[in-house]
Amino acid sequence: QQQVKQSPQSLIVQKGGISIINCAYENTAFDYFPWYQQFPGKGPALLIAIRPDVSEKKEGRFTISFNKSAKQFSLHIMDSQPGDSATYFCAANRGTYKYIFGTGTRLKVLA
Amino acid sequence: GAGVSQSPSNKVTEKGKDVELRCDPISGHTALYWYRQSLGQGLEFLIYFQGNSAPDKSGLPSDRFSAERTGGSVSTLTIQRTQQEDSAVYLCASSLPQLGYEQYFGPGTRLTVT
Repeated sequence: QQQVKQSPQSLIVQKGGISIINCAYENTAFDYFPWYQQFPGKGPALLIAIRPDVSEKKEGRFTISFNKSAKQFSLHIMDSQPGDSATYFCAANRGTYKYIFGTGTRLKVLA
Repeated sequence: GAGVSQSPSNKVTEKGKDVELRCDPISGHTALYWYRQSLGQGLEFLIYFQGNSAPDKSGLPSDRFSAERTGGSVSTLTIQRTQQEDSAVYLCASSLPQLGYEQYFGPGTRLTVT
């Protein structure tokens, strides 16, 4: 019940394409769903986050779609660029300090 | 301002040796976390410190792992009698809990046990 399942494990997208990464959770008590971006040799950095009272949040080229009934949320990267090549982690939290992280998706955007 | 810093950035040690990993959180951040990131895995929670409260050690994988935080700032993660399965990247993060626990991560320490 504490797991967050992330897919795909790796993703290759052409420049200008849309990258989509999916996560699913079981615990309905989760109320905060952030996405982190991690470049090689760096720690993860918060990219965008959503709470379950909204179905979508957009920041620039990055959009989170949230489906509360399906207990799923996804990250969409529009007009993907080579600079977006990184590992992306979804996470879930229930108002405490404990985050549950997905296993990560390694994204490669081809020039 | 400075972010979270960790040292060393890389550590190679022989099986059975003890290692100490250091984390300097962002100034003023009262909460500090340690995570372990193994190849192809997500971030595994190890331990959480918040102010003067007793730390949450529930994620420490064995009694060979310990951590302390001195003066509410710098933290040291110690692994005794290292094993090859301890090889991973150890990440530290800090946060201000009153702002929703948004975590700021350091660059990590890559530990290799030979």
